[in-house]
Amino acid sequence: QKEVEQDPGPLSVPEGAIVSLNCTYSNSAFQYFMWYRQYSRKGPELLMYTYSSGNKEDGRFTAQVDKSSKYISLFIRDSQPSDSATYLCAMISPPQNLHKLVFGAGTILRVKS
Amino acid sequence: DADVTQTPRNRITKTGKRIMLECSQTKGHDRMYWYRQDPGLGLRLIYYSFDVKDINKGEISDGYSVSRQAQAKFSLSLESAIPNQTALYFCATSASTGNTIYFGEGSWLTVV
Repeated sequence: QKEVEQDPGPLSVPEGAIVSLNCTYSNSAFQYFMWYRQYSRKGPELLMYTYSSGNKEDGRFTAQVDKSSKYISLFIRDSQPSDSATYLCAMISPPQNLHKLVFGAGTILRVKS
Repeated sequence: DADVTQTPRNRITKTGKRIMLECSQTKGHDRMYWYRQDPGLGLRLIYYSFDVKDINKGEISDGYSVSRQAQAKFSLSLESAIPNQTALYFCATSASTGNTIYFGEGSWLTVV
């Protein structure tokens, strides 16, 4: 069993839809959770960073962590064609041990205009 | 210009050949990493370096070697390339006290 599971998609939605991207994990020691966005033929870039449980909002993006269920989500409101990318979840503890960062396989998102 | 630059961006090589992927960064970070990305497997760490004299194996180091020539330069070598090393390779950096990894744009390697 992988430490982090992520549905690879592709997930195809119409412009303006609310998108929900999810990851589950097995290691209860993870405390820091990240979402990276990767455009085609580009490197991943950090989108959201959260600590422990709860929600964090940044514009159209909301990251949610449920440590009791070992489940994290990224919500995108009013999705745009420019949101089309691969979204990777990642997690770690403690945060400075970035060489131990564990990534999900990524979910491909396509937003149709 | 990109803060983390990888060369070459694309390379096709033959089985058994030696190939080097180079990475340079202008972010002033101490820590550098090499990852490979395969469909369905995500990003997997090959090697990482905390500074010029501190190099460590990652999850999948077999068949690879690295050299940290300077704080800003970290190269990855495949001594004898094989087809299952066909993948997208990323160099990345982070500050020693940071909590974020910064990736380069990737190097597509095809071994035929």
